[in-house]
Amino acid sequence: DTGVSQDPRHKITKRGQNVTFRCDPISEHNRLYWYRQTLGQGPEFLTYFQNEAQLEKSRLLSDRFSAERPKGSFSTLEIQRTEQGDSAMYLCASSPRLARQDEQYFGPGTRLTVT
Amino acid sequence: AQTVTQSQPEMSVQEAETVTLSCTYDTSESNYYLFWYKQPPSRQMILVIRQEAYKQQNATENRFSVNFQKAAKSFSLKISDSQLGDTAMYFCALRESQGNLIFGKGTKLSVKP
Repeated sequence: DTGVSQDPRHKITKRGQNVTFRCDPISEHNRLYWYRQTLGQGPEFLTYFQNEAQLEKSRLLSDRFSAERPKGSFSTLEIQRTEQGDSAMYLCASSPRLARQDEQYFGPGTRLTVT
Repeated sequence: AQTVTQSQPEMSVQEAETVTLSCTYDTSESNYYLFWYKQPPSRQMILVIRQEAYKQQNATENRFSVNFQKAAKSFSLKISDSQLGDTAMYFCALRESQGNLIFGKGTKLSVKP
């Protein structure tokens, strides 16, 4: 399977704990995106990478959130001191190049539940 | 600010019939791309169809076509000969210079046998 993969698929954590999610993009895709999707809403942009460089961060990405993409391959999204409002589906997507029309390929998502 | 609005939270259609999902958007850019994505239950999101703003011709992909009205900032999706596998959430999305997608809230489509 050469699609976008995400790990874990589900995560249940207690409020105040830290969690880390991983995304493996399609090989040779140089753009990688993180989105958050809450129940009944469309995905909302969090941040994106061009290779290893983090080019943009949404205002949704508070200082408790950090994302990395070392060596321009896989990416991690860490949430520190989780809050109940962080409960959501976290989606990763990748695309092959800069052009606007390029399709973003989505992973299956990581569903986070903060209790 | 860029916005995408889908005014139909839920829709249903009989198998083999045609259904149209609505989407309006707002942007200050002259060139941009519009997309319809499909998210089946418990499965990942996939692209259905895309439209480049400066192309007047409406995009088509097999049973899926769009009605793009640039002046009205409207981008509707028509699904012909609906199939049970079309049951999903459908999201309209706008892509500008930043590269990230701006999504609407989605329309839940149920295809009934």
